[in-house]
Amino acid sequence: SAVISQKPSRDICQRGTSLTIQCQVDSQVTMMFWYRQQPGQSLTLIATANQGSEATYESGFVIDKFPISRPNLTFSTLTVSNMSPEDSSIYLCSVAPGSRVFGSGTRLTVV
Amino acid sequence: SQQGEEDPQALSIQEGENATMNCSYKTSINNLQWYRQNSGRGLVHLILIRSNEREKHSGRLRVTLDTSKKSSSLLITASRAADTASYFCATTSGGSEKLVFGKGTKLTVNP
Repeated sequence: SAVISQKPSRDICQRGTSLTIQCQVDSQVTMMFWYRQQPGQSLTLIATANQGSEATYESGFVIDKFPISRPNLTFSTLTVSNMSPEDSSIYLCSVAPGSRVFGSGTRLTVV
Repeated sequence: SQQGEEDPQALSIQEGENATMNCSYKTSINNLQWYRQNSGRGLVHLILIRSNEREKHSGRLRVTLDTSKKSSSLLITASRAADTASYFCATTSGGSEKLVFGKGTKLTVNP
């Protein structure tokens, strides 16, 4: 199974600022996904990161708020832009196909 | 949007007892997966059951799938305090690798 290194593991940020989260995979993977988990809730898919093209966003999520990069088959970043306290969540990346592996998550608190 | 609905939302049992969690979903699926999450950290993949399978075992885990009822159950036998975690079901459907998560069951195993 792939191994994902996700960072930072946690951060406390001021409202109005941006945070970029990185996921590095130890092997080439076709698909990478970004999920949000709001406090006490389940996971919601933000977008699919596509190598060489724009990410595909789910309903309710937009590129201006959550820009995603995927420069190659082993790396992706998610930026949470112009943050507000409502963005306080755990953000996780995942890869597919095959055994589904998740990063360890980024716990973001916006104050 | 959430696909699976787990019940119960929370379950508290004694060590050595069995724990059963249920998941219902709304649309036709390719497969259904169960994940564990400890204290808001990354997800651990437990087991995958395909739509043409009815039951699967892995160690102390037993998963059943009833596609006619659009439901699945996860049984953990002889539970241990270390099984304390949140458990989520997630489905894929159509030709997509996107995971749609249920709301989760928070399991507490008391020593």
